[in-house]
Amino acid sequence: NAGVTQTPKFQVLKTGQSMTLQCAQDMNHEYMSWYRQDPGMGLRLIHYSVGAGITDQGEVPNGYNVSRSTTEDFPLRLLSAAPSQTSVYFCASSYSYSLDTQYFGPGTRLTVL
Amino acid sequence: AQKITQTQPGMFVQEKEAVTLDCTYDTSDPSYGLFWYKQPSSGEMIFLIYQGSYDQQNATEGRYSLNFQKARKSANLVISASQLGDSAMYFCAMREGIGGDMRFGAGTRLTVKP
Repeated sequence: NAGVTQTPKFQVLKTGQSMTLQCAQDMNHEYMSWYRQDPGMGLRLIHYSVGAGITDQGEVPNGYNVSRSTTEDFPLRLLSAAPSQTSVYFCASSYSYSLDTQYFGPGTRLTVL
Repeated sequence: AQKITQTQPGMFVQEKEAVTLDCTYDTSDPSYGLFWYKQPSSGEMIFLIYQGSYDQQNATEGRYSLNFQKARKSANLVISASQLGDSAMYFCAMREGIGGDMRFGAGTRLTVKP
């Protein structure tokens, strides 16, 4: 099993550009989520999904969109990048939307100029 | 809303000694899970240990143990016999049984000295 994979590992954008961060898991997990990590602030939840076709907002959803057309994939779209979105982005998954352990992808380091 | 607090921004420990990283939490849900993750300088998030709110015994995984004090709402991570490779950021996290988003503390940076 590859676990949770994310692409790209690094990305530089200009203000106003859009892009999609890819996330995939091969563990047949129902729950998937996106976090951003900023210095001194831990990880903050952006969006999550409890199954294919179902998504919801987390703590910091503004400026991001998600969709979940399959169990395996959960892409994160930046609609119009801003310098405030410079961060490290992690995708994670767990078996269910309950007390299960979440497993994380390797992260994407995004810089917005 | 659930809240996780890690009060130690940085900790130092001598190699081969034990160290305790503090975590307190706040929730009104009787069913919840507590997690610790390690983030080395390479950046990945590594799951270490889990404690359920109804578990009677403290969780242990190798050199890691979780000192769970339910009444005090604390879930401290104890690392025994520290190794240089333990130098990393450590995050405490919690999921509630109903609406299981995982929320994280701000983290503790552990440095192991030779």
